[in-house]
Amino acid sequence: GAVVSQHPSRVICKSGTSVKIECRSLDFQATTMFWYRQFPKQSLMLMATSNEGSKATYEQGVEKDKFLINHASLTLSTLTVTSAHPEDSSFYICSARASPEKSPYEQYFGPGTRLTVT
Amino acid sequence: AQSVAQPEDQVNVAEGNPLTVKCTYSVSGNPYLFWYVQYPNRGLQFLLKYITGDNLVKGSYGFEAEFNKSQTSFHLKKPSALVSDSALYFCAVRDSIKAAGNKLTFGGGTRVLVKP
Repeated sequence: GAVVSQHPSRVICKSGTSVKIECRSLDFQATTMFWYRQFPKQSLMLMATSNEGSKATYEQGVEKDKFLINHASLTLSTLTVTSAHPEDSSFYICSARASPEKSPYEQYFGPGTRLTVT
Repeated sequence: AQSVAQPEDQVNVAEGNPLTVKCTYSVSGNPYLFWYVQYPNRGLQFLLKYITGDNLVKGSYGFEAEFNKSQTSFHLKKPSALVSDSALYFCAVRDSIKAAGNKLTFGGGTRVLVKP
């Protein structure tokens, strides 16, 4: 099956610094990537949707200047949390989907990144 | 707008007994329905999906789910639960109508605890 990786798996950063999380589709080209946030014992909250080569579409309430998303290639998307604060501590999960012609329904998830801001 | 409800926060079952995790949905068009499982500090693993066709869908690890259009439900089932099935289960839906967008909407999750 299709594999999506995330790096790093865990990161601890100091308040005020920025941290970048990478999401890669290892064996397929992802035309669309999604970024989710998950709080402890809660469901996944979609933060933004990005299509390769275009600007990300953010969900209501998500600050686009704080959560910078770049989908520069068909296999890589990055999420940068800028000027992180303790309330940004969370589990961030990316997901990738191939072109609708190849895979209209499947969405593959990465293993997640645990961000802790001290 | 599309939505998913998982009415039970937690389901406890003895090993070897049947397991059911409930899910109901709401969409404008026809639903595309999915079940995922999440182990601690891990991403989501795909279990099964319903797109069209047979209402009973068989998936990974012995799980199956039944699509019921009249009750707008897609309950996940396993005839004989294992301790290793203990995890967090998510039901998700996408609307088949393109204008509704291509986003998956997740239920709140149900924690399954299988006791030996």
